[in-house]
Amino acid sequence: KNEVEQSPQNLTAQEGEFITINCSYSVGISALHWLQQHPGGGIVSLFMLSSGKKKHGRLIATINIQEKHSSLHITASHPRDSAVYICAVTSSPGRRALTFGSGTRLQVQP
Amino acid sequence: EAQVTQNPRYLITVTGKKLTVTCSQNMNHEYMSWYRQDPGLGLRQIYYSMNVEVTDKGDVPEGYKVSRKEKRNFPLILESPSPNQTSLYFCASSLREIGTQYFGPGTRLLVL
Repeated sequence: KNEVEQSPQNLTAQEGEFITINCSYSVGISALHWLQQHPGGGIVSLFMLSSGKKKHGRLIATINIQEKHSSLHITASHPRDSAVYICAVTSSPGRRALTFGSGTRLQVQP
Repeated sequence: EAQVTQNPRYLITVTGKKLTVTCSQNMNHEYMSWYRQDPGLGLRQIYYSMNVEVTDKGDVPEGYKVSRKEKRNFPLILESPSPNQTSLYFCASSLREIGTQYFGPGTRLLVL
């Protein structure tokens, strides 16, 4: 079993829909990251969380430490949101490497 | 402009020919790392560095070397590349160990 599991693996939505991507992890963590990778490969960090909730524009990320679960929400989705969304964790204590989920491929259709 | 740069962006080489992929950041970040991305396996960490002269193995360090002689640079060295090292490589940095990761543009490597 992977330490970081994402669901769904693939997601197709219509423009304007509310989207949720889930990430579950099985280890203690210092931080959880949400990353975005567009076709062509570049990776951008969207959020880093250790508790609670963060919002940036139409993107919202939440984390529940007790349940070892995080969600990334996209409100009013747009075709430019089409990308792969990747969850990653920094484990605690001690091990400082990042462990990644397999990613969720999102396609938003006009 | 704050950025992480990698060179080269694309590289085709042959088995056994030593190569170096450079990584440089201009944000005075302490933490730097290397990842490889493969279809079906996702991103995996190769090596990371907490600061100058401090490096440690990630999940897949075999066949790779790194050095951190200066804060801004973190080269990835393949002493004897093999075809299973064909991959997309990313360098990243963050201000501290726990921090927002800034990624380089990626280096696509093909080892024949």
